[in-house]
Amino acid sequence: RKEVEQDPGPFNVPEGATVAFNCTYSNSASQSFFWYRQDCRKEPKLLMSVYSSGNEDGRFTAQLNRASQYISLLIRDSKLSDSATYLCVVNMPSGGSYIPTFGRGTSLIVHP
Amino acid sequence: GAVVSQHPSWVICKSGTSVKIECRSLDFQATTMFWYRQFPKQSLMLMATSNEGSKATYEQGVEKDKFLINHASLTLSTLTVTSAHPEDSSFYICSARPTRNTGELFFGEGSRLTVL
Repeated sequence: RKEVEQDPGPFNVPEGATVAFNCTYSNSASQSFFWYRQDCRKEPKLLMSVYSSGNEDGRFTAQLNRASQYISLLIRDSKLSDSATYLCVVNMPSGGSYIPTFGRGTSLIVHP
Repeated sequence: GAVVSQHPSWVICKSGTSVKIECRSLDFQATTMFWYRQFPKQSLMLMATSNEGSKATYEQGVEKDKFLINHASLTLSTLTVTSAHPEDSSFYICSARPTRNTGELFFGEGSRLTVL
């Protein structure tokens, strides 16, 4: 079982749609959770941090559910420019430190 | 925001040569840097964790003698691919974790290596 699992998609949605991604993680002692966005052949860029209380940034809402060990990302009113791969990152304990562990990414395609 | 510079962005080399990739944190100190490799349409795979002043910790299956990592200062880590072969062609990305450590990572722009 992978430590961080995401549905690779692709999620193919029309402009204006609402789309949600989930990501599950295996280690309950994990700390710090993030969503990153990666465009084709580019480096990942931080989209937002994820907290149990949830956080919202414009059209994006992220949520952490520690009991069920998953994080979610909701995108409202999708834009063409939202097309990208969305990576969830979980800092997992390893050897006295925390190692950022990536999911394989979820591909989103927003079409006109 | 924090900036990580990675150089070179592109490199094409002949089989058997060595290639060095640099990763610099420009406006913050990073005790820990991470090196990843990403093949087309695949996820980022952690190769090694680089800690300033100590030996890198390599992930299982990554040859430490082939992928030499040096983290000599709080702002610079280097990855040297020794005796590169075509199967080493990939996108190599570094990331830095600030010493203040909020858990957030800052990524370099990546280096695309093509070995002929």
